[in-house]
Amino acid sequence: DSGVTQTPKHLITATGQRVTLRCSPRSGDLSVYWYQQSLDQGLQFLIQYYNGEERAKGNILERFSAQQFPDLHSELNLSSLELGDSALYFCASSVTPGAHNEQFFGPGTRLTVL
Amino acid sequence: DQQVKQNSPSLSVQEGRISILNCDYTNSMFDYFLWYKKYPAEGPTFLISISSIKDKNEDGRFTVFLNKSAKHLSLHIVPSQPGDSAVYFCAASDNRDDKIIFGKGTRLHILP
Repeated sequence: DSGVTQTPKHLITATGQRVTLRCSPRSGDLSVYWYQQSLDQGLQFLIQYYNGEERAKGNILERFSAQQFPDLHSELNLSSLELGDSALYFCASSVTPGAHNEQFFGPGTRLTVL
Repeated sequence: DQQVKQNSPSLSVQEGRISILNCDYTNSMFDYFLWYKKYPAEGPTFLISISSIKDKNEDGRFTVFLNKSAKHLSLHIVPSQPGDSAVYFCAASDNRDDKIIFGKGTRLHILP
């Protein structure tokens, strides 16, 4: 158990809908990262937050947004969903930002768009 | 354009033998490299890392070798054990930002 929790575990929805994925980092970790893993793809970095502020952005679509709240949990919002958004979404956390710091991953949320 | 490539989608190795997983990268600005291991239905877990100032880092049964001139790194697992069956992701980062670029992963099967 990494200490990072993600809810829900599974989500099935229809095209055009909007969903929210939630992540609680390990106790004491200030940095949260979001990744997408599509079929046959590696982990694609989406976005990073540190202590409530956006710190780095990857290949995140404009239909997607995220935020980190004062209690440090984070939410990833996906809107106008398309079939191609079906994927595993991972959240990770680390004590401080910086790619050299070990990231602790949650178990992921599997999103299926029908 | 994939900056981190793991060209072998899968690899089967006999238990007790050496497993060698390979990774190539294209960005010469990468200065830190990591390997993560992933079991089904779980998130990836950190395994071992290496800085670009080194060419080898060892941690128990796991050793990572870095060849900067070839832009190549490899993970050696000796001896391979059944619990090593998992997907292994190679990742790289550039000190100028916080992003980590992951490869697509190699699925390792340890055969009894």
